[in-house]
Amino acid sequence: QITLRESGPTLVKPTQTLTLTCTFSGFSLSTSEMGVAWIRQPPGKALEWLALIYWDDDRRYNPFLKTRLTITKDTSKNQVVLTMTNLDPVDTGTYYCAHQSGSGELSLHEFDYWGQGTLVTVSS
Amino acid sequence: QPVLTQPPSVSGAPGQRVTISCTGSSSNIGRGYDVHWYQHLPETAPKLLIYDNTNRPSGVPDRFSGSKSGTSASLAITGLRAEDEAIYYCQSYDYDLSGSVFGGGTKVTVL
Repeated sequence: QITLRESGPTLVKPTQTLTLTCTFSGFSLSTSEMGVAWIRQPPGKALEWLALIYWDDDRRYNPFLKTRLTITKDTSKNQVVLTMTNLDPVDTGTYYCAHQSGSGELSLHEFDYWGQGTLVTVSS
Repeated sequence: QPVLTQPPSVSGAPGQRVTISCTGSSSNIGRGYDVHWYQHLPETAPKLLIYDNTNRPSGVPDRFSGSKSGTSASLAITGLRAEDEAIYYCQSYDYDLSGSVFGGGTKVTVL
């Protein structure tokens, strides 16, 4: 059974850097055709895809946020970390990590398992 | 502004059929990329409802069905039940953005 859980600060000040950790079980990110993505949802707004990391360390970023995002993995710990720099109040929202798998371009595939999400508030 | 367009809300009486549209463009759905659907209840993780346009994961009732044509896709819910009240999102891949894109979400209300 695949599970994912997000963790990180609940309150961040503007201009600071946010670091979120996704701890997962039920699969290995060293297995081919596996990936973990980050998705966020501002209050009352739609879901927004942020980043994806592949089993082979290939990475994809939302082009509108690319300069602020870094996604990394620690296969031995079954963790994926997302860092976002220069936080702004508009970055407030619930951040989810999710599992993707499949052949070819992972981004084509569905998010079949999600974490419960973690609410991040950006405020001074 | 979400890349994929969904109606903000739809409603129906118990037992009725409702459909939710998801309109894209030639850089996503119209390019042939698959569409996936999620059900999102408050304070819970989104749940995969339909993948690859028409397929239901194990455990999803056959009251939920998906279709795709041209630059659009649709989710249909038949035999509407109170527990179906949720927000539904479509998702696909966009060639120009080189990544996943979502619709704005549709709130389903059971009257």
